[in-house]
Amino acid sequence: SQTIHQWPATLVQPVGSPLSLECTVEGTSNPNLYWYRQAAGRGLQLLFYSVGIGQISSEVPQNLSASRPQDRQFILSSKKLLLSDSGFYLCARKPAGGSPSTDTQYFGPGTRLTVL
Amino acid sequence: AQTVTQSQPEMSVQEAETVTLSCTYDTSENNYYLFWYKQPPSRQMILVIRQEAYKQQNATENRFSVNFQKAAKSFSLKISDSQLGDTAMYFCAFMNTNAGKSTFGDGTTLTVKP
Repeated sequence: SQTIHQWPATLVQPVGSPLSLECTVEGTSNPNLYWYRQAAGRGLQLLFYSVGIGQISSEVPQNLSASRPQDRQFILSSKKLLLSDSGFYLCARKPAGGSPSTDTQYFGPGTRLTVL
Repeated sequence: AQTVTQSQPEMSVQEAETVTLSCTYDTSENNYYLFWYKQPPSRQMILVIRQEAYKQQNATENRFSVNFQKAAKSFSLKISDSQLGDTAMYFCAFMNTNAGKSTFGDGTTLTVKP
């Protein structure tokens, strides 16, 4: 089966500290990978997406960066966290070049980040 | 850029009854996908149903069905025989065919009452 893991599940960090959130995917090769952020009671905002190793596209200017060092690994980072970085971070995958019948995004369990 | 609007922040329904959640979107693209996701208190995003824009036939998945009106850019979700486990936040999402970037609405919180 195709599984998405996110680590850690919950994180509390002080303002100004660094951040590293990890997403790993099993059971699929060369997927498209995505990072979304969800503010409390709101929808998901796309932050970054990647169509392959080392290929990162940023959707909104922000204090965060993303990297894809391996085919099935997607990392979200920050050098110095801001209060506004608090939220629920979701990683998603989609088959690369998916057919119309399979083109769908599937989500990991998420990471709850609180910046104090 | 695409926008997705869910105009009902909260809804409630009695167990075993039917409820419809509304969603409208705006896009200049002709080919795309539309989805409804369910987010229970665990916050896991669960795919409920998907619709391919080039298909006129409305998608159905067991108790869940959609009313897709492409010209009106409307994509509503109907839940039949509502169950207590359907209580969750429901998100409507638009996904383009280029890189699969998705835009989400702000969600509708659905409460199923016993």
